[in-house]
Amino acid sequence: EVQLVESGGGLVQPGGSLRLSCAAYGFTFSSYEMNWVRQAPGKGLEWVSYISNNARTMYYADSVKGRFTISRDNAKNSLYLQMNSLRAEDTAVYYCVRDLRSGSGTYYNLYRQFDYWGQGTLVTVSS
Amino acid sequence: DIQMTQSPSSLSASVGDRVTITCRASQGISNYLAWFQQKPGKAPKSLIYAASSLQSGVPAKFSGSGSGTDFTLTISSLQPEDFATYYCQQYHTYPLTFGGGTKVEIK
Repeated sequence: EVQLVESGGGLVQPGGSLRLSCAAYGFTFSSYEMNWVRQAPGKGLEWVSYISNNARTMYYADSVKGRFTISRDNAKNSLYLQMNSLRAEDTAVYYCVRDLRSGSGTYYNLYRQFDYWGQGTLVTVSS
Repeated sequence: DIQMTQSPSSLSASVGDRVTITCRASQGISNYLAWFQQKPGKAPKSLIYAASSLQSGVPAKFSGSGSGTDFTLTISSLQPEDFATYYCQQYHTYPLTFGGGTKVEIK
């Protein structure tokens, strides 16, 4: 059974740092691209970051670029999000999301599914 | 960045109703669009990808259509378990962006 389990959330002061982890179970982690998506309390979904399966390619939302770093350890089946210079507006539930590509050739990017989500970990930035 | 605009932001409907939610992209995204369902306190669930392809295990009462800038999610016969918030997402261009959500409530 596929499971994604986030950890590392908590209360941090503005300007502080936090490292989120996501442990993956039930699938070959090294074969999948991964993402972080967040949701501020009572608000909608916001994509945060992407990492390729071999960690050679990363993308970030403008709101976190230069402050957050996505990484992975395929030997440990784990995804990470290092968050620095945290702001009040970073307060959110952070979800780890598997990125399935079920197409090939010209359809590789089209048949893309955020098919499994973790339960989320809450990050609160407040003094 | 590509802006995704959903309408309505909320709607009230009865069990058995046919419901349609609209999502508009600020520029053409071909069919690079997904739909998600989220219930309170839970992680989102994938419903549709590539604008009209049904995620494995999702009932056929959900359907998606559209291409370019205008897309729709239709629930053919609303059931109690379908009351939730629905989000569209474009994955044509980074940064990936979501619509603001449509909350489907019981009338």
